[in-house]
Amino acid sequence: GEQVEQLPSILRVQEGSSASINCSYEDSASNYFPWYKQEPGENPKLIIDIRSNMERKQIQELIVLLDKKAKRFSLHITDTQPGDSAMYFCAASRITGNTGKLIFGLGTTLQVQP
Amino acid sequence: DTTVKQNPRYKLARVGKPVNLICSQTMNHDTMYWYQKKPNQAPKLLLFYYDKILNREADTFEKFQSSRPNNSFCSLYIGSAGLEYSAMYLCASSRLGGNQDTQYFGPGTRLLVL
Repeated sequence: GEQVEQLPSILRVQEGSSASINCSYEDSASNYFPWYKQEPGENPKLIIDIRSNMERKQIQELIVLLDKKAKRFSLHITDTQPGDSAMYFCAASRITGNTGKLIFGLGTTLQVQP
Repeated sequence: DTTVKQNPRYKLARVGKPVNLICSQTMNHDTMYWYQKKPNQAPKLLLFYYDKILNREADTFEKFQSSRPNNSFCSLYIGSAGLEYSAMYLCASSRLGGNQDTQYFGPGTRLLVL
């Protein structure tokens, strides 16, 4: 299978609190998991990614966790700010040789309320 | 410069007419992708070029064509637009191999078929 499930579809949090988005994938051979942030009228931008040889990665307030056994990965934003409000997409990819195909989740709309 | 450019940003087409969308990047990336995104759906890969080799997804094989006259440019061609082609079309590029598999997205072309 090539589905990526992403939940929740809408997430509302108070400024300063944390936000978590969860994704699951079907293809056990997936080895690359990027997260994209898309603001209205803008193109999706990569914010953080993790490869299958890692379980945890952190860039400033962004933390991604990968559980290969459960085929789940998640994004955690600590100390959310209004500027974090956007659509977030997770994706899974099997990079083999010179090809890689991203399978996207449906996206999560994050609203950070002041 | 990690910019992927797309032209036009908005396109209005008549049913049965052809549509040609353009994407360019100056990052010397091996691979260029085209995704289709409809409201409340995940971005869906349509096809990608690795160098001069075109790979089209099985379920969209007959609906879309593409050309890549040089490393920097890639087009998406619809021979006869139908109403179901109305969507956002996202172009992306990447340099695969090693850890250089990040896909950079363009701003998208919003196609409306009437």
